[in-house]
Amino acid sequence: DTEVTQTPKHLVMGMTNKKSLKCEQHMGHRAMYWYKQKAKKPPELMFVYSYEKLSINESVPSRFSPECPNSSLLNLHLHALQPEDSALYLCASSQDPQGNTEAFFGQGTRLTVV
Amino acid sequence: KQEVTQIPAALSVPEGENLVLNCSFTDSAIYNLQWFRQDPGKGLTSLLLIQSSQREQTSGRLNASLDKSSGRSTLYIAASQPGDSATYLCAVTSNTGFQKLVFGTGTRLLVSP
Repeated sequence: DTEVTQTPKHLVMGMTNKKSLKCEQHMGHRAMYWYKQKAKKPPELMFVYSYEKLSINESVPSRFSPECPNSSLLNLHLHALQPEDSALYLCASSQDPQGNTEAFFGQGTRLTVV
Repeated sequence: KQEVTQIPAALSVPEGENLVLNCSFTDSAIYNLQWFRQDPGKGLTSLLLIQSSQREQTSGRLNASLDKSSGRSTLYIAASQPGDSATYLCAVTSNTGFQKLVFGTGTRLLVSP
C-alpha cells in the first residue's frame, strides 16, 4: 500500500472561515510534507514534519498552521485566508526524513478562497 | 539555490512513438532524482526514483537516466499510448539533511490516437 489519503478533495471557504485539511498514510513513514501548487506551476514546499516534529517551515504565513497529531496523520489548519491562497494543496510522505527515499503524494485538496 | 528546468514545456506525439523528456538541475549535490506524473487537477504519481549513485532505473516502458556531474536526467517513454498523456515533473532532493523536493517546470505530454 503506497497510498496517501487527503480530505476533502475540494474546499470552498470565505476569508473569515476556519477550516482544516487532513492527510493520512499507513506506510509507517516518518516524514510528512505539505506542498502548495498554483495553476500551471510546480509544487512548492510549505512544511516538513520529521518524527512528528516540525522540521522545516518555508516562511509560510501564520494563517497556515500545520499539526501532526501522530505518525500517520497530518493536518493543515486554515484561518483568515486570502483569495491568492487558492491552490491545490498536496500532502506527501517518505520513509526516512534524512535519507534517500521515495516520496509519495496524495491526490490533493483543491482550495478556493472567496 | 537549486533550479530545475524541463525541456520541452509541451510535447504532442502520435501514439506509438518513443519519446524523451529532459530535466536539468544547477546543483549536482543531490541525494536523488524522482520523476512524477500528474493528471490535470490531480496529485502526483511517483514513476521512478534514481539514487545519486545510480545511472538509470527502469519500470515497464519507462527508463530514466541520471548524469549527476552534468546535472541532467532524461525520461524515456517507449511505445507511447494515449493514457500516457499527462504532465511529467522531475524533482531533485539536495543533500542538506531533510528531504526537500525541488521540482522542475514540467513537460505537458499529449499522445494522440
